[in-house]
Amino acid sequence: GAVVSQHPSRVICKSGTSVKIECRSLDFQATTMFWYRQFPKQSLMLMATSNEGSKATYEQGVEKDKFLINHASLTLSTLTVTSAHPEDSSFYICSAIRTSGNPPIYNEQFFGPGTRLTVL
Amino acid sequence: GENVEQHPSTLSVQEGDSAVIKCTYSDSASNYFPWYKQELGKRPQLIIDIRSNVGEKKDQRIAVTLNKTAKHFSLHITETQPEDSAVYFCAASGGYNKLIFGAGTRLAVHP
Repeated sequence: GAVVSQHPSRVICKSGTSVKIECRSLDFQATTMFWYRQFPKQSLMLMATSNEGSKATYEQGVEKDKFLINHASLTLSTLTVTSAHPEDSSFYICSAIRTSGNPPIYNEQFFGPGTRLTVL
Repeated sequence: GENVEQHPSTLSVQEGDSAVIKCTYSDSASNYFPWYKQELGKRPQLIIDIRSNVGEKKDQRIAVTLNKTAKHFSLHITETQPEDSAVYFCAASGGYNKLIFGAGTRLAVHP
């Protein structure tokens, strides 16, 4: 299978601090990963596309200086929420693309288990 | 950019009945349409997907239909069971493999 992990699963922090969330593809290499945010009883909202070895691409309305993304290897992308505030409290989910098939199928995404961030 | 609309937002059925959830998309270049089931606090789970070169796909009690001309696709669940109760999301993907999600449908299956 294709397994994606996230760490931590849950984090509580004080307002003004920074929090780093890791997303790892455990059994495949992922040149592209995605970060989503999900507020209670709402849908997944795409925040940014994380590309290995290059800058992330942010969706409209997402502050790149607040949500720092680093994709330093083919199996790891990190999201850092800088100067977190209570309104940043949310469920953050990553996903990774795995190419499969012959010819390659690029659309298949595998999701991590999510990280629940609570900012006090 | 892509916009996906999903209806209904809530759906309540009796066990054994069928459930249908419908989505429309705006970007004619979208070519991949997955459906996810999400339970509270968990990751979305892919239940079925369809690509733009196919009009219908079935997997046991679950089927998806796609009308490219009208830009809409639907999820059909037959013989519903209480364990089918969850939130279901449709999504559309085109350029750069980005997934744009619908707002979700909360399905309740009553015994």
